[in-house]
Amino acid sequence: DAGITQSPRHKVTETGTPVTLRCHQTENHRYMYWYRQDPGHGLRLIHYSYGVKDTDKGEVSDGYSVSRSKTEDFLLTLESATSSQTSVYFCAISAGGGDTEAFFGQGTRLTVV
Amino acid sequence: QKEVEQNSGPLSVPEGAIASLNCTYSDRGSQSFFWYRQYSGKSPELIMSIYSNGDKEDGRFTAQLNKASQYVSLLIRDSQPSDSATYLCAVSPGNNFNKFYFGSGTKLNVKP
Repeated sequence: DAGITQSPRHKVTETGTPVTLRCHQTENHRYMYWYRQDPGHGLRLIHYSYGVKDTDKGEVSDGYSVSRSKTEDFLLTLESATSSQTSVYFCAISAGGGDTEAFFGQGTRLTVV
Repeated sequence: QKEVEQNSGPLSVPEGAIASLNCTYSDRGSQSFFWYRQYSGKSPELIMSIYSNGDKEDGRFTAQLNKASQYVSLLIRDSQPSDSATYLCAVSPGNNFNKFYFGSGTKLNVKP
């Protein structure tokens, strides 16, 4: 298995509180991604990073911010959680370049009450 | 229009049959295509990648790509109950092959 660890694995939080999810990799891959998965929508890209301090928005970035201060860590922050952000969040990594694949972490189940 | 479209299923096949899963994509410039398997409550697991038109075989799995028709498929031969899962198609857009767009997945049930 690719060396990807997400933390926490489960979290329940209240509406309006800030939440940070962490993704840690040991593969030294350049690219890191945050996806959310909801029934009927599949995996949707929130943000991705193509290097330290280099990030870009995905399909559903509103309400989320990210940071990458080290190659191995990619943080996803919900500044003020809402019930619509209840979801399963997956981190993925990729070595980048042509003909490369993405590998996923175990996921974080977030419930906003 | 979604970038990647899949029939949500469920697709039910008997054990030992061939399961055929299909995916269409909207970006004609896409160059990289992937199939993932996801068991309930688990993370997506890469099964196959395909980059050129034609077929690519790996064990019981065959990926087929037709760029002219913007169509990619996955065939599973000799389907087993352990193949029961949701299968996700992923495509990298032509303007950024380091991004991955996913379909919503097709649920496959293999009946013993």
